[in-house]
Order: sequence, then structure tokens, then C-alpha cells
Amino acid sequence: QKEVEQDPGPLSVPEGAIVSLNCTYSNSAFQYFMWYRQYSRKGPELLMYTYSSGNKEDGRFTAQVDKSSKYISLFIRDSQPSDSATYLCAMSPNTGNQFYFGTGTSLTVIP
Amino acid sequence: DGGITQSPKYLFRKEGQNVTLSCEQNLNHDAMYWYRQDPGQGLRLIYYSQIVNDFQKGDIAEGYSVSREKKESFPLTVTSAQKNPTAFYLCASKDTFYGYTFGSGTRLTVV
Repeated sequence: QKEVEQDPGPLSVPEGAIVSLNCTYSNSAFQYFMWYRQYSRKGPELLMYTYSSGNKEDGRFTAQVDKSSKYISLFIRDSQPSDSATYLCAMSPNTGNQFYFGTGTSLTVIP
Repeated sequence: DGGITQSPKYLFRKEGQNVTLSCEQNLNHDAMYWYRQDPGQGLRLIYYSQIVNDFQKGDIAEGYSVSREKKESFPLTVTSAQKNPTAFYLCASKDTFYGYTFGSGTRLTVV
């Protein structure tokens, strides 16, 4: 079983839609959670970084962590064509360790 | 601007040849990482280094080698022992509090 599971998609939505991206994990020690956005042929860039359970909001993006279910989500409101990218989740027991990445979900926002 | 520079952007390798991918950072991060990205497999860790003159194997180190003689530099050599080297290679450095910063990647193709 992989440490982190992520539906690869592809996911296609119309502009303005609310997008929900999800990851599940098996290691209950994970406490630090990240979401990265990766445009085609580019390196990933950090979108959100959260600790433990709860929600964190940044503009149109909301990261949600449910440790009891070992489930994390990234919500994108009012999605834009510029949001079309692959989204990767990553997590770790502590900040000093390496992070474990999901396989990424490919998102296309159609104008 | 601080960041990570990977070069070259595209690299072609002949059968039986060793090639070296360059990674330089000016973020003053102690930890540096090499990942390989293949379609549908996410990011797989090749090697990482927490400090100068020290490095550890990741999940798929066979056929690869690294050095860390300077804090700023973490080159990756893909040796002839790596039988399936065609992939997208990502270098990253990590800050304890702010997660990974990735380079823009090197696409290696065997010809």
C-alpha cells in the first residue's frame, strides 16, 4: 500500500466551478501537509502548507485536513483557466523529514 | 532572486553513457533532494542530502550517484547502470518551516 493515495484524474470543470482535490494516507504520524501546483514541464510550486487538522484559507484556495479519516482536501473556488495544472499533495510526520508525495491530479478548467 | 537553478533543461543520453544534471541553490537551505517524475507515478526520491559532504539513498537510488561538496550545489549523475533513465528530474531544497522549493526540472531522454 502506498503511503499517499491521490486520484490522478484527469478532472475537467467549467470556469467558475468549485473544485475539490483529495488525498488519503495510511500513516497516522503525518502531521504536516502541503499542496503543490505543477504546470506542464515546470517544477512544482507550493500552494498551501498546513499543520495537523483543520482548515486554512488563502484567497480562492482552502486546504482541509481530517486526521481522524486520514484525508486531506484542497478546494478551489471560482476556478480559472490559469488553474489548469497538476496538483500534488505531500505530507510528513515532521518538518525535518522528507515529505511523501501523491501521484498528482491533473485539472483542466474550461473557459 | 533566491531560487533553484537546474541545467540543462533538456538532455539526451546515448546508451552506455554517464550524464550529470546540475542543481544550484542560493536559498541557504541545508537540505537538498533529487526526485524523478514519471507519468502516473508521482515524485520518487532518488537521493537527498541534509548537510555538506553527506547524502543518503532514497527509494530508487540504483543507477544514480550524487555529491555534495558545497552547500549550494547537488549534482546528480545518471550512470550507464540506470537502464530506464528517460524521465523528468526535479531538484529541490527544503526549509524547515516553508517546505520544498523546486527547480524547473531537466528532461532526460535516451537516444
